[in-house]
Amino acid sequence: GDSVTQMEGPVTLSEEAFLTINCTYTATGYPSLFWYVQYPGEGLQLLLKATKADDKGSNKGFEATYRKETTSFHLEKGSVQVSDSAVYFCALISNDYKLSFGAGTTVTVRA
Amino acid sequence: KAGVTQTPRYLIKTRGQQVTLSCSPISGHRSVSWYQQTPGQGLQFLFEYFSETQRNKGNFPGRFSGRQFSNSRSEMNVSTLELGDSALYLCASSLEGTVSDTQYFGPGTRLTVL
Repeated sequence: GDSVTQMEGPVTLSEEAFLTINCTYTATGYPSLFWYVQYPGEGLQLLLKATKADDKGSNKGFEATYRKETTSFHLEKGSVQVSDSAVYFCALISNDYKLSFGAGTTVTVRA
Repeated sequence: KAGVTQTPRYLIKTRGQQVTLSCSPISGHRSVSWYQQTPGQGLQFLFEYFSETQRNKGNFPGRFSGRQFSNSRSEMNVSTLELGDSALYLCASSLEGTVSDTQYFGPGTRLTVL
């Protein structure tokens, strides 16, 4: 079945540092790929998405490129802020209508 | 446009009881999905409904059930609660539930089973 593997955390960074969270997937067909973010006590918020190979999703300074050849969708941000502290989830959806999530990566940014 | 709403936000039950959680999707969205989030198992898919029909179901026991109404609102029910059912239950809605659709999540219902 479909599965997502993402970099384990926790990740602790200083403000203005570069952030990368690795994500690889296994899926049949042509899935869409997502990054969601979860702040404490809240539900999931969509951060960005890509629906086909070589698409780049971007939002709030975060970027991720859908790489079919390496089955990857790594998340990057060039300069993180304290407000980026959260749990980040990589996910995919294919033809079975369900999102499959990675385990989540906790990111803490120190001032 | 209002987001996905879930009620109640918090719930405390005892083992053996049953519980019903409610989800109102974004206006115009016809697909509603439910997920369970726990520290040990992460985010797991429960089921998805579209136009009042369940299209897919995750690997959960029959104690977990759901339904969708004609206005797309959805409920999920858990009968004979067990301690392991303590979790955050998240509802998500999307326009049509297709591969390229985005699922938008509600704030969740935190269920504690004592």
